[in-house]
Amino acid sequence: DAGITQSPRYKITETGRQVTLMCHQTWSHSYMFWYRQDLGHGLRLIYYSAAADITDKGEVPDGYVVSRSKTENFPLTLESATRSQTSVYFCASSDAGGVSTDTQYFGPGTRLTVL
Amino acid sequence: AQSVTQPDIHITVSEGASLELRCNYSYGATPYLFWYVQSPGQGLQLLLKYFSGDTLVQGIKGFEAEFKRSQSSFNLRKPSVHWSDAAEYFCAVGAGNNDMRFGAGTRLTVKP
Repeated sequence: DAGITQSPRYKITETGRQVTLMCHQTWSHSYMFWYRQDLGHGLRLIYYSAAADITDKGEVPDGYVVSRSKTENFPLTLESATRSQTSVYFCASSDAGGVSTDTQYFGPGTRLTVL
Repeated sequence: AQSVTQPDIHITVSEGASLELRCNYSYGATPYLFWYVQSPGQGLQLLLKYFSGDTLVQGIKGFEAEFKRSQSSFNLRKPSVHWSDAAEYFCAVGAGNNDMRFGAGTRLTVKP
């Protein structure tokens, strides 16, 4: 049982380039989430999805785009990367109950560096 | 929106000693409260959560936390720390508005 996986694990890109971070879960969980983790800020929610084709903004959505055509996949795209988007990105999923009420299961993270 | 404060950025304890990690939140109603642990290079794993009922919550790995409404706190405790507990610990607060806020984290170092 693979659980929740993220790819790539490490990525270096340049300012202005488009970058897509992938997230895949094998549990058929309804909810999926994208967070960024920055020193001193903990984790901040970027976007979440309650089901396929249903997405909504979190606390820090600017500069990011998401889609969810299949339940198991939730890619995060930085359309034009900026240095301020250098961070560790975590994908998570939960079975039900919403963003704020249910246990979330986290992937291993993607460390993104924007030069 | 709700907010979370973890006052201690870094704590060092000796192996076998007791541990308490502090978490304070700001929210108008009873929140959903979580403690997660992050080992180096890993994602977060849930230790315990509180939704309602008994204010003392037991979690995995011997951890417990107590919800104190009067103090807006949800402190994490462990009676005897093991070297494998060295990690970063995050308190999180969920509200009914599809919003989840994490604290900045407390890094735990365990001395032999």
